[in-house]
Amino acid sequence: DAKTTQPNSMESNEEEPVHLPCNHSTISGTDYIHWYRQLPSQGPEYVIHGLTSNVNNRMASLAIAEDRKSSTLILHRATLRDAAVYYCILRVFTDTGGFKTIFGAGTRLFVKA
Amino acid sequence: ETGVTQSPTHLIKTRGQQVTLRCSSQSGHNTVSWYQQALGQGPQFIFQYYREEENGRGNFPPRFSGLQFPNYSSELNVNALELDDSALYLCASSLGLAGGYNEQFFGPGTRLTVL
Repeated sequence: DAKTTQPNSMESNEEEPVHLPCNHSTISGTDYIHWYRQLPSQGPEYVIHGLTSNVNNRMASLAIAEDRKSSTLILHRATLRDAAVYYCILRVFTDTGGFKTIFGAGTRLFVKA
Repeated sequence: ETGVTQSPTHLIKTRGQQVTLRCSSQSGHNTVSWYQQALGQGPQFIFQYYREEENGRGNFPPRFSGLQFPNYSSELNVNALELDDSALYLCASSLGLAGGYNEQFFGPGTRLTVL
């Protein structure tokens, strides 16, 4: 089964960039990579997604390795509001034509003022 | 606010009982997914419905079942509750074909406690 592996926690200083790594060595060619974050007592919130190429949006950047076995979420300038659990997710197509969503255990990001 | 609502907010049941959780999708969204999140862990995918048909399922037993209605609201039913079913249950809606690229919008969840 596909899976993702992330560090349990990371720490950053406010206003500095943060690189959150994810390993997904079992990824298949049609699987999408998504990142979501979750604040306490809330549902997860979409951050970014990609398939093969690096992606940028207003929240973050996603760097995908050439072999697609790993990816990195980049927050360009961490703020206190970015403190959350960040999940690296695979959207996996199945043999039956549907798909399933695989969450990792998440990385808890601490941001210091 | 994502526009996805879930009810009830909290629920307490006893082992062996049955429970129904409800989700109202964001307007116009035709796909809904359900997840189970145990305390301190990441969400686990239960299943997904696209236009009233289940089109993806995680590693959950058949006593976890669901429905999606013509207005795209959804229900998660769990029979024969076990203590390990205690968790936060999240639903997420998305728009368009049930592809791997769609952004999902999550509700705030229903906290289920099984005694």
